Amino acid sequence: AQKVTQAQTEISVVEKEDVTLDCVYETRDTTYYLFWYKQPPSGELVFLIRRNSFDEQNEISGRYSWNFQKSTSSFNFTITASQVVDSAVYFCALTPDNYGQNFVFGPGTRLSVLP
Amino acid sequence: DTGVSQDPRHKITKRGQNVTFRCDPISEHNRLYWYRQTLGQGPEFLTYFQNEAQLEKSRLLSDRFSAERPKGSFSTLEIQRTEQGDSAMYLCASSWTGGNTIYFGEGSWLTVV
Repeated sequence: AQKVTQAQTEISVVEKEDVTLDCVYETRDTTYYLFWYKQPPSGELVFLIRRNSFDEQNEISGRYSWNFQKSTSSFNFTITASQVVDSAVYFCALTPDNYGQNFVFGPGTRLSVLP
Repeated sequence: DTGVSQDPRHKITKRGQNVTFRCDPISEHNRLYWYRQTLGQGPEFLTYFQNEAQLEKSRLLSDRFSAERPKGSFSTLEIQRTEQGDSAMYLCASSWTGGNTIYFGEGSWLTVV
């Protein structure tokens, strides 16, 4: 069975602070895909990143960076110099086959960035 | 805008009434998914289509729920005899077979009173 845990229910930071959102996953599959989505108040899930299990390279995209560690089954997400517009709920998700019917989402972390 | 669009965005209905939601996927995407999301939880898979064929249904999709995608383009999700427990956001998503990314719409909020 697959499972995604996001232990941080809510996080509040002041603008310009760095913040890391944790994601720990469980799977017995040797091949799998990990995702991060952002859900602003409008409701839409905005795709941020996809990572397959064979690619453990960390990735940086502007103020966003991701740290994938298979040894600890973690796929953490860091926002550097946070901004008010980063306020949203962030979901980590796992799927064995890159198709949506097998997505398992974590419960989400609500990030509030205060001015 | 060529993203996934859903209609209506919000629906309030009385218990026992039927409701229908519509999803228009990204035009070149042949896969379409429906999810349900309750407050404080991540989305949960309900069903998906490849073109017009409904290929999988979750156990969450009770007999009161039916989804269609008659021409392989837009899809509808109907809930009959709504119950208060159906109150949730219903998300639609689409992708291309073999594609890397699943794109979500803004969701349709359902409140059953």
